[in-house]
Amino acid sequence: KAGVTQTPRYLIKTRGQQVTLSCSPISGHRSVSWYQQTPGQGLQFLFEYFSETQRNKGNFPGRFSGRQFSNSRSEMNVSTLELGDSALYLCASSLAEGTGYTFGSGTRLTVV
Amino acid sequence: KQEVTQIPAALSVPEGENLVLNCSFTDSAIYNLQWFRQDPGKGLTSLLLIQSSQREQTSGRLNASLDKSSGRSTLYIAASQPGDSATYLCAVALAGGTSYGKLTFGQGTILTVHP
Repeated sequence: KAGVTQTPRYLIKTRGQQVTLSCSPISGHRSVSWYQQTPGQGLQFLFEYFSETQRNKGNFPGRFSGRQFSNSRSEMNVSTLELGDSALYLCASSLAEGTGYTFGSGTRLTVV
Repeated sequence: KQEVTQIPAALSVPEGENLVLNCSFTDSAIYNLQWFRQDPGKGLTSLLLIQSSQREQTSGRLNASLDKSSGRSTLYIAASQPGDSATYLCAVALAGGTSYGKLTFGQGTILTVHP
């Protein structure tokens, strides 16, 4: 079966721009989470969506936002990009409570 | 606030050795704990998931144990191979409400298995 699909795989943006990343979960999975991974901070939780509702939120500024559609696909948006937003952004999906998460391959964002 | 620590930060072993990776967490009210591996520049691959009521899980050469009361988990890798070289991450989901939807990760253990 298809895994978690993230697009695009690589992205280069300029400071001040905004960016939208996409995540298609495994079919049937209704929970989608987003994480930021950097060499200095490791993996940090951004937010989680379930049935189009944001259920959990991490400690990131309001420039980071997300949404989930009725087909469970999710997008995250970062506005007014800063150099420090350069990171690997990972999306994960889960079938149900307690079943663990499956991660996508990530989107590598570079801000110049 | 849940904090997750992994020891050692890096490990280099010859092929064939059995090894243990450690993960500790500060809040024992967990929902479950998941071990992942990450290859350079790639996403995370799930290895084992242990529910809070379980003591261990096994998959092939991998065995993970959980001691919730002491806030510890170990990942045991038997007969290591060069293909096991990767970063190993543990992630904890807290119990309570919908907190299980948020994973807190350790910094990882970088494992190198040389022929």
